[in-house]
Amino acid sequence: EVQLVQSGAEVKKPGESLKISCQASGYSFTNYWIGWVRQMPGKGLECMGIIYPGDSDTRYSPSFQGQVTISADKSISTAYLQWSSLKASDTAMYYCARRDTPTEPLDYWGQGTLVTVSS
Amino acid sequence: QSALTQPASVSGSPGQSITISCTGTSSDIGSYILVSWYQQHPGKAPKLMIYEGSKRPSGVSNRFSGSKSGNTASLTISGLQAEDEADYYCCSYAGRTTLDVFGSGTKVTV
Repeated sequence: EVQLVQSGAEVKKPGESLKISCQASGYSFTNYWIGWVRQMPGKGLECMGIIYPGDSDTRYSPSFQGQVTISADKSISTAYLQWSSLKASDTAMYYCARRDTPTEPLDYWGQGTLVTVSS
Repeated sequence: QSALTQPASVSGSPGQSITISCTGTSSDIGSYILVSWYQQHPGKAPKLMIYEGSKRPSGVSNRFSGSKSGNTASLTISGLQAEDEADYYCCSYAGRTTLDVFGSGTKVTV
């Protein structure tokens, strides 16, 4: 069974750094892309970027380029989303999801990680 | 890249059919058949309902169907059921540098 299990909710202060995770199981982690999707409170879905753990090919949506870093550790089948300096506007639910190729849909989703940034 | 345009809400009675539109541009929906639809219940992760415009993943009810014409995609839910009450988002591939563009979301009330 394909599963994506995300790390737990985080409460951080502005300016702090953060790295959240998405652990995959039930399929070959290096043969599929992982995407990250943001959902701000009461708002819609936004594609942040994708990574291919097989060779770490990473692509960012223009709005998120330079704002976050996406990475993966194939030895533990885990993808990451990180911030070096959080802002209040980063408060959101973040989902990871699997896709076969960059053009295929997001077929399996993690449960989401709620990130709250507040002073 | 702006979000694809969806109606904020659509409602229907049990057993009826409803259609949700999703309007994009020639840079996204108009250029690719790669339109997908996601259902999201409150507090839950999105679920893939339709991909490549009209294909259903295994396990998704055939009451859900999709289509595309020009720069607009549509999701039709027939035989509306209480469990269909959720938010629905369309999504279109928009090229290697833009990746995906999601719709603004539609709240379906049964």
